[in-house]
Order: sequence, then structure tokens, then C-alpha cells
Amino acid sequence: SQTIHQWPATLVQPVGSPLSLECTVEGTSNPNLYWYRQAAGRGLQLLFYSVGIGQISSEVPQNLSASRPQDRQFILSSKKLLLSDSGFYLCAWSRLWDIQYFGAGTRLSVL
Amino acid sequence: KNEVEQSPQNLTAQEGEFITINCSYSVGISALHWLQQHPGGGIVSLFMLSSGKKKHGRLIATINIQEKHSSLHITASHPRDSAVYICAVRVLIKAAGNKLTFGGGTRVLVKP
Repeated sequence: SQTIHQWPATLVQPVGSPLSLECTVEGTSNPNLYWYRQAAGRGLQLLFYSVGIGQISSEVPQNLSASRPQDRQFILSSKKLLLSDSGFYLCAWSRLWDIQYFGAGTRLSVL
Repeated sequence: KNEVEQSPQNLTAQEGEFITINCSYSVGISALHWLQQHPGGGIVSLFMLSSGKKKHGRLIATINIQEKHSSLHITASHPRDSAVYICAVRVLIKAAGNKLTFGGGTRVLVKP
């Protein structure tokens, strides 16, 4: 069976510090991978998606970047966090155009 | 106007009641998803549908492509159904890939 791991679950970081959130998928190959953010009191927003190793599409201009160094690994990064980067970050995967499966999420507080 | 609108935004029901959540969208879609977000934040995909009706346990999802409308029904609601239910659509544009556009969610509270 397929599983998705996302860590850490909670993170508190000072403004200006770097960020690295990791997501890995097990039990499948060549998945589509996604990073979403949910700001406090707001809906989900797609940040990045990837259809293959090294292939990253960015949906919104922002302070964040994503990388896919391995088939089932998706990393969300920032060189310098802003207060506005606070939120709930979710990783998800899907087989092509199929249903998306979500990780447990990382709650990021930038202080 | 948002591409995906959900109603109501909040809903309170007594245990056992029948619950309906509505989702309307304004774009052509290839599929519609219903998601459930628990109080801790975790999200579970409930349904993906492109036509007709799907049922899983006490949950039923329907979609009317012509009317650009979908409903999620919860029969015999239970306090453990308390969550935010989110409608999301996959836009029918090849270049959009498998990107989802989300509604604002419906917060459901089922009281015992």
C-alpha cells in the first residue's frame, strides 16, 4: 500500500531563518507531487506541483521554492522566512490525474 | 467571484440528522473532489467524481455537470463527522494538469 510521510509536524522559526520541509511517498513510482498551503482561516492554495524528477511548476510568486531530487521525495524550502510564510503546509501525491492523497501536514509559525 | 463556491460556510446539526453541503463551480472541470479536514488539520480525500453519484458508508456525493453543481450528503450524522468539508475541482485545461482549485470549506459540527 502507498503511504506519504511529511515532517516535521510542527515548526517554529524566526523571521529570516531558512526552511526545509520534506515529503516522501512509499509504495508507488513516478507520482505527481504537490505542495499546498493553508493560511490561518483561509482555504487551501496550491504552491508547487511536480510530474517528475527535477520538474517543478510554481503556481504563485512567493518566497518559497520546491525541489524533487528523487522520484518520491519533494522538498519545500526558503532561504529567508517571512512572517507571511506562516501557515499549514500539506504535501500530496497522485497517480497521474487520479485522486490526491494528503500528508498529515506541517504547521509552521514564523515569529 | 471565486471559481468554487461552497454553502453553507458553517453548519450545526444534531446527531442523526441528514446533512447536505453544496458546491458550485463556474469553470469547466474534468473531476470534482470532496475532502475532509479534521480539527488537527489532516486531510482525507473522500470522493473523486466526474459524473453521477458515489456512496461510501454514510457519505454520498453527487454531481450535475450541466448545472456545475455537486452535493455531499451525510446520512445519520455522528459527532465524529465534525470536520471541515472541502470541495475542489480539477479544471478542464490540459495545461493545468492535475491542479485543484479549492472551495472555502464548510465547517460541520454535529452535536450529540
